[in-house]
Amino acid sequence: KAGVTQTPRYLIKTRGQQVTLSCSPISGHRSVSWYQQTPGQGLQFLFEYFSETQRNKGNFPGRFSGRQFSNSRSEMNVSTLELGDSALYLCASSLYGQGAGVNTEAFFGQGTRLTVV
Amino acid sequence: AQSVTQLDSHVSVSEGTPVLLRCNYSSSYSPSLFWYVQHPNKGLQLLLKYTSAATLVKGINGFEAEFKKSETSFHLTKPSAHMSDAAEYFCVVSDLGSGNTGKLIFGQGTTLQVKP
Repeated sequence: KAGVTQTPRYLIKTRGQQVTLSCSPISGHRSVSWYQQTPGQGLQFLFEYFSETQRNKGNFPGRFSGRQFSNSRSEMNVSTLELGDSALYLCASSLYGQGAGVNTEAFFGQGTRLTVV
Repeated sequence: AQSVTQLDSHVSVSEGTPVLLRCNYSSSYSPSLFWYVQHPNKGLQLLLKYTSAATLVKGINGFEAEFKKSETSFHLTKPSAHMSDAAEYFCVVSDLGSGNTGKLIFGQGTTLQVKP
């Protein structure tokens, strides 16, 4: 069974540009979550998609957006990049997500390392 | 609101000695707790999870964790450290206050160093 695939693995962008990151979840998984990892803030939740709908969103500005397609693949977009957006972006895939009575394991991809210069 | 606190940012042990990584949690609900490991330049791998079944949870690679409600703790242990255990470890809680979501709340991480 293939794992979670994130592309690209590395990106270098200039301030003000926009970027799109992609995540292909494990086959059959319907929940895809995105996290930002930085040395200062640690791992922070960005948003979660389930069956093409955003179910939850973290405390990030509107420059961060995402979507999920009918095959459960997800993309994350960051517009008007800032230096502080430099981070490792991780995608997590699970059958149904986490919540009351529902705690399916989350499997993580290797991440996309974004550097903004 | 749920939260987790990892009590040590850095732990150093000698190969073959026990490992103890400490985690305290705060939750208004019966929590679901996890430990993940991250090796350099890698994603996160699930070590073990607690979801209100047995309080002593066994995971991969010889790791265990015990859920103690009275102490609100979920410490990770391993009897004998290997060099390959050197990595960053995250204690994680599900955010159960928002209904069914994909939100996990991470501790700040503990870096485990294993000396030969």
